[in-house]
Amino acid sequence: GDSVTQMQGQVTLSEDDFLFINCTYSTTWYPTLFWYVQYPGEGPQLLLKVTTANNKGISRGFEATYDKGTTSFHLQKASVQESDSAVYYCVLGNSNYQLIWGSGTKLIIKP
Amino acid sequence: EAAVTQSPRNKVTVTGGNVTLSCRQTNSHNYMYWYRQDTGHGLRLIHYSYGAGNLQIGDVPDGYKATRTTQEDFFLLLELASPSQTSLYFCASSDVLGGYEQYFGPGTRLTVL
Repeated sequence: GDSVTQMQGQVTLSEDDFLFINCTYSTTWYPTLFWYVQYPGEGPQLLLKVTTANNKGISRGFEATYDKGTTSFHLQKASVQESDSAVYYCVLGNSNYQLIWGSGTKLIIKP
Repeated sequence: EAAVTQSPRNKVTVTGGNVTLSCRQTNSHNYMYWYRQDTGHGLRLIHYSYGAGNLQIGDVPDGYKATRTTQEDFFLLLELASPSQTSLYFCASSDVLGGYEQYFGPGTRLTVL
């Protein structure tokens, strides 16, 4: 069945560092891939969406790309700020309009 | 702006207790979802609905019932709560015509002693 794997449980960076988070996915459907972000005490919210049509998404300084050949999906940001501290989820949209969630990557930014 | 509210925000009950979690959305969305969130598992889908009176089973339905009374209101019922159901519960809504984006409520933290 459809699945998503996030291997990085936690990433610790300093302000202005480069961020790169990776996940892999498996699906027999044309993938629609998302990055959701969850700030402390809140529900998740959509950060970026990427489809087979556009291959790339950009929002709030974050960029997401996917590689069909390696079935991997990346989130990156050139210069992180303390306000980016959150949990980032890699999410796959399946053919039933359901979301398949990765286990999340907690981003900690040292001031 | 999209709005999903949940009540209560926190709930403590005992093993065998009866709990109802409430969710209301004012987005006029057709789809509503109940998830549980546990450390190391991300979000797992319990039940979902695509309209009043409809109910679909998610990935982890055991021990949970749900009911969608109106387009706006979706309830999650735990009739015999167990400690394994201690978790953070999220409700979400979406409009398929608008794509996959789901809008989430603030969550309900449930503790079963």
